Amino acid sequence: GAVVSQHPSRVICKSGTSVKIECRSLDFQATTMFWYRQFPKQSLMLMATSNEGSKATYEQGVEKDKFLINHASLTLSTLTVTSAHPEDSSFYICSARDLPDTQYFGPGTRLTVL
Amino acid sequence: QKEVEQDPGPLSVPEGAIVSLNCTYSNSAFQYFMWYRQYSRKGPELLMYTYSSGNKEDGRFTAQVDKSSKYISLFIRDSQPSDSATYLCAMKGLGNTGFQKLVFGTGTRLLVSP
Repeated sequence: GAVVSQHPSRVICKSGTSVKIECRSLDFQATTMFWYRQFPKQSLMLMATSNEGSKATYEQGVEKDKFLINHASLTLSTLTVTSAHPEDSSFYICSARDLPDTQYFGPGTRLTVL
Repeated sequence: QKEVEQDPGPLSVPEGAIVSLNCTYSNSAFQYFMWYRQYSRKGPELLMYTYSSGNKEDGRFTAQVDKSSKYISLFIRDSQPSDSATYLCAMKGLGNTGFQKLVFGTGTRLLVSP
């Protein structure tokens, strides 16, 4: 199957700082990428849908000014958590859409905000 | 009522057993059905992707879809300890405006003991 990478795999930061997470489709071009959040023992919650060259579409309840998404190329999308707080600590997972219509997930990024 | 219902488990079986994992759904618009496997602290891995009602087999895995009952299953034959993971069902509709987002079950935690 197609491969999606994420970087970093784990990040620890102080409260108030910003953290950027990268999501890359390694062997295919993805016009659409997705960002999910997952709390322990819970399922994935879609945060936003990212389309190359256009603004991201955020799910209800997700603050777009706090979670900045950029999809600058067909293989790269970034999620920036701005002014992170302890409640933002979570497992963030991206996925990329491959043709004909399948989503492949990255390995996830564990964010811990102190 | 959730759109997709899935028993969280855990489901404990001995090595070699046949495992049956299930999801029910309420939205008759769902047309595509997927099963993902997620190991602890990792991103979901696509196992099976089905569209029509019936069975689809891939190695030790069989996905079954019954649209009339709004019920999908994943069977694992000759289960191995390495199959121990959380299994997520996911589904989406066939939108006439393009891509439809995935709706996930909560995931069933499977434990296969040696």
